[in-house]
Amino acid sequence: QKEVEQNSGPLSVPEGAIASLNCTYSDRGSQSFFWYRQYSGKSPELIMSIYSNGDKEDGRFTAQLNKASQYVSLLIRDSQPSDSATYLCAVNKRKAGTALIFGKGTTLSVSS
Amino acid sequence: EPEVTQTPSHQVTQMGQEVILRCVPISNHLYFYWYRQILGQKVEFLVSFYNNEISEKSEIFDDQFSVERPDGSNFTLKIRSTKLEDSAMYFCASSEAGTNYGYTFGSGTRLTVV
Repeated sequence: QKEVEQNSGPLSVPEGAIASLNCTYSDRGSQSFFWYRQYSGKSPELIMSIYSNGDKEDGRFTAQLNKASQYVSLLIRDSQPSDSATYLCAVNKRKAGTALIFGKGTTLSVSS
Repeated sequence: EPEVTQTPSHQVTQMGQEVILRCVPISNHLYFYWYRQILGQKVEFLVSFYNNEISEKSEIFDDQFSVERPDGSNFTLKIRSTKLEDSAMYFCASSEAGTNYGYTFGSGTRLTVV
């Protein structure tokens, strides 16, 4: 079983729509969950972190965490063409202070 | 905004040669990492470094890899004898206090082994 799984996409949405990105993880002991955005040829950029069950909102972004289902999601409201990128889900391993494990990423395309 | 600086941005090397990739982490960060991303694939963990020693390494980080913090600012990744399959983007990252705060990544070094 892969440690962090994401649908590779592409996910295509029209400008102004809500984009919904999903991620599942295998380690029940994981405590910290992150969403990174990666433009083609660039480095990952942290956009959201979430540690507790429920929703966390930051501007147009909402992260959702359900530890019982081992599921993390990212909602992007009012999607813009500049949001077109690959979105990486990252999860820490059980032991604090060690590696973040990344999913393969979901490619989002927002059309104007 | 503070950033992680990596040099060089692109390095081409002959198979079997040694390369050193350099990173300057954010100054008040205590944890340092190297990741790699082969073209079209996921970001893969190589090694984490804290308090002047390796805290964790992956299966990828075998004897041909080493890391060092030679002074108070630089953090280096050495690949002793490069192979074609080492061609990838190598990202350095740092964090204030482990994974709970996420990482800041550098812009990466694209390593091409020919």
